[in-house]
Amino acid sequence: KNQVEQSPQSLIILEGKNCTLQCNYTVSPFSNLRWYKQDTGRGPVSLTIMTFSENTKSNGRYTATLDADTKQSSLHITASQLSDSASYICVVSANSGYSTLTFGKGTMLLVSP
Amino acid sequence: DVKVTQSSRYLVKRTGEKVFLECVQDMDHENMFWYRQDPGLGLRLIYFSYDVKMKEKGDIPEGYSVSREKKERFSLILESASTNQTSMYLCASQSDFNYGYTFGSGTRLTVV
Repeated sequence: KNQVEQSPQSLIILEGKNCTLQCNYTVSPFSNLRWYKQDTGRGPVSLTIMTFSENTKSNGRYTATLDADTKQSSLHITASQLSDSASYICVVSANSGYSTLTFGKGTMLLVSP
Repeated sequence: DVKVTQSSRYLVKRTGEKVFLECVQDMDHENMFWYRQDPGLGLRLIYFSYDVKMKEKGDIPEGYSVSREKKERFSLILESASTNQTSMYLCASQSDFNYGYTFGSGTRLTVV
């Protein structure tokens, strides 16, 4: 069964600090991996997408890494801001037809002043 | 940018009412999806559609139905709302199955 596990479940950091969120997956055959940011009460918004051949991708202060061998991804947030407080969801796509996305349950990040 | 619009941000309905949640996308996407999101459970797929008048059950279709009469519009129907259907409902669209989703802003439904 395809699964995506995220850790930690929740995290509190001080404004200006860095943090790293983890995503482990067992999805096959792997197609791509996305990180979404979801503000409270809003729909998720895509941050990055990574395919099998990509190791690192950045979007401003967000940097995602992918290790397809160990089936792990991380999302690193640099110099955190209060507006980074949100849920971060890892989503893995399998290349196998309909309904191919497997969602993690998300990491809730709170950036404290 | 693709826009996915859900008609209501917040809804309060009574038990037993028939509820319609509307979703419209403006980029001619083939695939559309309805999810519900609950604390500790993440997003769970209710129904999806890959073409007009086509629909497929997701992981938790019980108590729901859908309608896709036009390509841009995908409606979720709660035939007889129950309190356990209180949730955040998210609509998404996708150009094809190899691409990621664009989500709507969500509808927070409360059934009392």
